[in-house]
Amino acid sequence: DAKTTQPPSMDCAEGRAANLPCNHSTISGNEYVYWYRQIHSQGPQYIIHGLKNNETNEMASLIITEDRKSSTLILPHATLRDTAVYYCIVIKDGSEKLVFGKGTKLTVNP
Amino acid sequence: DSGVTQTPKHLITATGQRVTLRCSPRSGDLSVYWYQQSLDQGLQFLIQYYNGEERAKGNILERFSAQQFPDLHSELNLSSLELGDSALYFCASSVGPFGNQYFGPGTRLLVL
Repeated sequence: DAKTTQPPSMDCAEGRAANLPCNHSTISGNEYVYWYRQIHSQGPQYIIHGLKNNETNEMASLIITEDRKSSTLILPHATLRDTAVYYCIVIKDGSEKLVFGKGTKLTVNP
Repeated sequence: DSGVTQTPKHLITATGQRVTLRCSPRSGDLSVYWYQQSLDQGLQFLIQYYNGEERAKGNILERFSAQQFPDLHSELNLSSLELGDSALYFCASSVGPFGNQYFGPGTRLLVL
């Protein structure tokens, strides 16, 4: 599975959009980009995933660059409850193993 | 609430002992995954079962074993415990053999 690079930490003001970047320059054509988050020692929570196209759900939007070498997770209106470690994971289609890196610790400030 | 349940929530035991962690997947999910999260190693995949059969193995020690029962709940057995086994152990489930995984609240194990 391709390796990912994320900034170790980011801050965001409550109510503003949080844009979390992820670099995955060695991604292969059959690898998906997944995002999970972990709120203070709780179980990780699935957020969104995508292959090529941008994706949106009730939690977030995922923007994948055309060359697929990087992506951005967007939380449109961050709240204090969005403070968490966010993990960007690249995983082959059909692969079962999630490989978690260190992620980005997002702190949403009032 | 993900729908995945894990028991117990906390476990304190001594070195050399054996413990069993239990996981019930979401209704309808056939896959169960086990992960270990320690301070120095981060979140690591241990093992996966799909519909009762072992499907994938990660960095699971020989002292650890798991199984999935006909009712699809799973147990992770940890034996000859060492101080370094102290960690959070998470169970996750998914509908099929891969795809979105939904995590339980974890079991916090402390080995003294």
